[in-house]
Amino acid sequence: DTGVSQDPRHKITKRGQNVTFRCDPISEHNRLYWYRQTLGQGPEFLTYFQNEAQLEKSRLLSDRFSAERPKGSFSTLEIQRTEQGDSAMYLCASSLRVIGGDAEETQYFGPGTRLLVL
Amino acid sequence: GQQLNQSPQSMFIQEGEDVSMNCTSSSIFNTWLWYKQEPGEGPVLLIALYKAGELTSNGRLTAQFGITRKDSFLNISASIPSDVGIYFCAVNSGYALNFGKGTSLLVTP
Repeated sequence: DTGVSQDPRHKITKRGQNVTFRCDPISEHNRLYWYRQTLGQGPEFLTYFQNEAQLEKSRLLSDRFSAERPKGSFSTLEIQRTEQGDSAMYLCASSLRVIGGDAEETQYFGPGTRLLVL
Repeated sequence: GQQLNQSPQSMFIQEGEDVSMNCTSSSIFNTWLWYKQEPGEGPVLLIALYKAGELTSNGRLTAQFGITRKDSFLNISASIPSDVGIYFCAVNSGYALNFGKGTSLLVTP
């Protein structure tokens, strides 16, 4: 039984470069979430998918950010033209939303990708 | 998202001591969650509370869902060094989780 995995675990890049992170959710989980966490703060919601459809995006998700989940399994989060303020831990979570079930299903988090923009 | 006020911000205790932390909000929620995050890792769910007044235990951890539905408490009994980490309360806004700023716990042997 594998949990949520994320790759890479760490990324150092120069300002202005593009970066892409990958998240593999728990198999059979139909919902996938991206959060961002900065030092001293709790995770903040960025966006989520149900299967391949991106259903919500936070105001934190600027135009330089794009997320995809093309086949309803793994997801990628791309940041274009990175800025120093993008430095953070990017967390992925997944959950199983049962049709007709309770809306508050448990979200399981991956280990995160720590991004440092120089 | 809704602001969750978590306290204390940090705790530095000796092994064997009991720990209490709490989380409050100005809004009512139907679910309160407690997560633990260790350095370099993602948050791990400890306890989920679904009913006002509910008291739920998970080993040495006990959490309560406040009667007003605006607060929750987490207690850790007989702390051990591996309890070190940041403890977050969280509420569910329908799809996204909204987290507090966390309580950082340090336990000395």
